[in-house]
Amino acid sequence: GDSVTQMEGPVTLSEEAFLTINCTYTATGYPSLFWYVQYPGEGLQLLLKATKADDKGSNKGFEATYRKETTSFHLEKGSVQVSDSAVYFCALSDHSGSEKLVFGKGTKLTVNP
Amino acid sequence: DVKVTQSSRYLVKRTGEKVFLECVQDMDHENMFWYRQDPGLGLRLIYFSYDVKMKEKGDIPEGYSVSREKKERFSLILESASTNQTSMYLCASTDPYSKQPQHFGDGTRLSIL
Repeated sequence: GDSVTQMEGPVTLSEEAFLTINCTYTATGYPSLFWYVQYPGEGLQLLLKATKADDKGSNKGFEATYRKETTSFHLEKGSVQVSDSAVYFCALSDHSGSEKLVFGKGTKLTVNP
Repeated sequence: DVKVTQSSRYLVKRTGEKVFLECVQDMDHENMFWYRQDPGLGLRLIYFSYDVKMKEKGDIPEGYSVSREKKERFSLILESASTNQTSMYLCASTDPYSKQPQHFGDGTRLSIL
């Protein structure tokens, strides 16, 4: 079945450092890919998405490019802030009609001042 | 704005009790989902529903059931709660025809003593 593998944390960075969180997937067909973020004590919020190969999703300084050849959707940010501290989840949707999501295990990011 | 509301943020119950977790969405979405979130395991799908009175098992349905009597409400039921069901439970909804991402509630942290 479909699966998502993402870099396991925790990841600790200093403010203004460069962030990369790796995500690769296995899927039949052509899934949509997502990054969700969960701030402490909250539910999941969509951070960005890409629906087809070579699409780049971006939001709040974060970017990820849908790479079909490497089955990857790595999350990047050029300069992290303390407020980016959260858990980040990579996910895919199989477009089977139910729009079920398959999630990675999550990566906890802590940004220190 | 989109709103998915879970009835409780925190809940403490005893082993063997029947537990109801409620979720309401105000977006007239067809599809609704229940996930549980555990450290190191990410989010796993318990059940989902694609219409009133329609339901399908997800990846970990054992020990759970669901009810969808009205389009806006999706209930998760723990028939006889056990300590290994202590977890964070997240509800989500989406409109499958618009290909929009799932919208999540803030979660219910359930402790079974």
